[in-house]
Amino acid sequence: NAGVTQTPKFQVLKTGQSMTLQCAQDMNHEYMSWYRQDPGMGLRLIHYSVGAGITDQGEVPNGYNVSRSTTEDFPLRLLSAAPSQTSVYFCASSYGQTFNSPLHFGNGTRLTVT
Amino acid sequence: AQTVTQSQPEMSVQEAETVTLSCTYDTSESNYYLFWYKQPPSRQMILVIRQEAYKQQNATENRFSVNFQKAAKSFSLKISDSQLGDTAMYFCAFMKLGSYGGATNKLIFGTGTLLAVQP
Repeated sequence: NAGVTQTPKFQVLKTGQSMTLQCAQDMNHEYMSWYRQDPGMGLRLIHYSVGAGITDQGEVPNGYNVSRSTTEDFPLRLLSAAPSQTSVYFCASSYGQTFNSPLHFGNGTRLTVT
Repeated sequence: AQTVTQSQPEMSVQEAETVTLSCTYDTSESNYYLFWYKQPPSRQMILVIRQEAYKQQNATENRFSVNFQKAAKSFSLKISDSQLGDTAMYFCAFMKLGSYGGATNKLIFGTGTLLAVQP
């Protein structure tokens, strides 16, 4: 049972490049979400999804797109990378209502934009 | 909007001793959930303990317990018999409930407290 798998683990981009951070879970979880972690700011919610075909914005959605075509996958797209998007990105999932089914986090993707 | 404040950026404790990490939050909601997550150097986020706001009783999980003071909007974490493996960043998190009273899966995190357990 792999849990939540994020790829890649590390990535360096130049300003203006685009890329997709991958997130896959094999636990049949309905809820999936993306957070970014910056020094001194904790984790902030970017986008989340309550099921296939349904997504919504979190606290800091600008510059990011998501889609949820399957239950398993929830990719995060950076359309035109900016240095302000240098961060560690975490994908998380849960089976249902999060209190009774705690969030499972991936191991993170460290992104540097130069 | 809800905010979560952790006023202790770093703390240190001797092995086997007890340490308390502070967390305060601001909300106008009457019911919500609170969590403590641990992030060791491996970067993995691990749930430590959780509390439902409508429950008066403080949650406990083995060596971890909370002091939940709803009126004061305070949610501190006590770690007893500290172990070297407790060395990590600890995040306090808040979750409001959705329209129908269920969890929203949208966490608001504090800025974290880096705990070092000394041998």
